[in-house]
Amino acid sequence: SAVISQKPSRDICQRGTSLTIQCQVDSQVTMMFWYRQQPGQSLTLIATANQGSEATYESGFVIDKFPISRPNLTFSTLTVSNMSPEDSSIYLCSSLGGGTQYFGPGTRLTVL
Amino acid sequence: QQQVKQSPQSLIVQKGGISIINCAYENTAFDYFPWYQQFPGKGPALLIAIRPDVSEKKEGRFTISFNKSAKQFSLHIMDSQPGDSATYFCAAQGFQKLVFGTGTRLLVSP
Repeated sequence: SAVISQKPSRDICQRGTSLTIQCQVDSQVTMMFWYRQQPGQSLTLIATANQGSEATYESGFVIDKFPISRPNLTFSTLTVSNMSPEDSSIYLCSSLGGGTQYFGPGTRLTVL
Repeated sequence: QQQVKQSPQSLIVQKGGISIINCAYENTAFDYFPWYQQFPGKGPALLIAIRPDVSEKKEGRFTISFNKSAKQFSLHIMDSQPGDSATYFCAAQGFQKLVFGTGTRLLVSP
């Protein structure tokens, strides 16, 4: 199974600012994913990030709000732009390996 | 059609008892059904998974039962332990994307 790390583990941000979350995988993977999890809730897929192509966003999520980079096969970033309190959530990245998704520990974001 | 329905929302089981969590799906394009365990402050961790050509899979105290015709699958935790107390998510994967159930918060009392 892949080992995935995320930075930062948590942050408190002001309304209107942006935060970039980093995700590092310990092996090369083709597909990486970004999820949002509201406290006590299930996971919702934001987008799929493939190396060498534009990220594919799910309904309700747009590139201007959640730009994603995927510069190589082990790394991806998610930016939460122009934040509002409604963006307070846990953001998780995952990678697909052997047909299974493995998750990072998450980034807990609080927007004031 | 993309939903995965999970029940119960919460579950309290005595130590040594059997915990049972149920899920149902609609989309027949799903081809992989994992269960994830999540502890507070942690990311979901893969627990056990099954493909639709198998009716049951067992790994230690954890068993998945899969009913393809009914489009239902369930997780059984035998001899439940306090350390099993966590939130459990079923999921269904199609075209390499996961759709998660709503989660079940399990509490195993000592």
